[in-house]
Amino acid sequence: GAGVSQSPSNKVTEKGKDVELRCDPISGHTALYWYRQSLGQGLEFLIYFQGNSAPDKSGLPSDRFSAERTGGSVSTLTIQRTQQEDSAVYLCASSPEGASGGRPSYNEQFFGPGTRLTVL
Amino acid sequence: DAKTTQPTSMDCAEGRAANLPCNHSTISGNEYVYWYRQIHSQGPQYIIHGLKNNETNEMASLIITEDRKSSTLILPHATLRDTAVYYCIVRATFSGSARQLTFGSGTQLTVLP
Repeated sequence: GAGVSQSPSNKVTEKGKDVELRCDPISGHTALYWYRQSLGQGLEFLIYFQGNSAPDKSGLPSDRFSAERTGGSVSTLTIQRTQQEDSAVYLCASSPEGASGGRPSYNEQFFGPGTRLTVL
Repeated sequence: DAKTTQPTSMDCAEGRAANLPCNHSTISGNEYVYWYRQIHSQGPQYIIHGLKNNETNEMASLIITEDRKSSTLILPHATLRDTAVYYCIVRATFSGSARQLTFGSGTQLTVLP
């Protein structure tokens, strides 16, 4: 079946410009995570959506970052006034978290290929 | 979440079984063992998880010791495409809060032709 998709795969932008990154999760997955990963580094959690609950934004590094998830499916991560330190691979993951036969699956996260953001 | 310890790197010949160990001596009763891998320039990939019984799926097998203090991920017939960093994590299953993943340093598995 279709996995998590992200677009664009690569984005080069100039410092100060806004960018939007898109994530299409696996159909039926109620949870959606955004992470970013700098070169050679681990995952940095950004934001978490679960169903209709208020998102957990505790990982967003500044108020220039925001995300929304429309209709419980597609999500968009927006970075305003991009800075060079925003350059990273932005990864989206979805998880069934209870949608898989009633057994909670909170830690089975399925990742997209990522968007490589380069801020010049 | 319990801490895990993995070797920094391992090599395996193509077509042979790759056995990746993980120590988690402080694991508690409600924590599962999860394995992920990350191939270079790709997003992490979920492999398998288990609580106390051995598990097998189309990708791998997971062997958990009886005392649950260690486990081994087995790739039965490693291919060059299995070259990746393999992460063992120990997590409980909760509801209602974000369960963002945190990876340690993992094991760099290199499958040699």
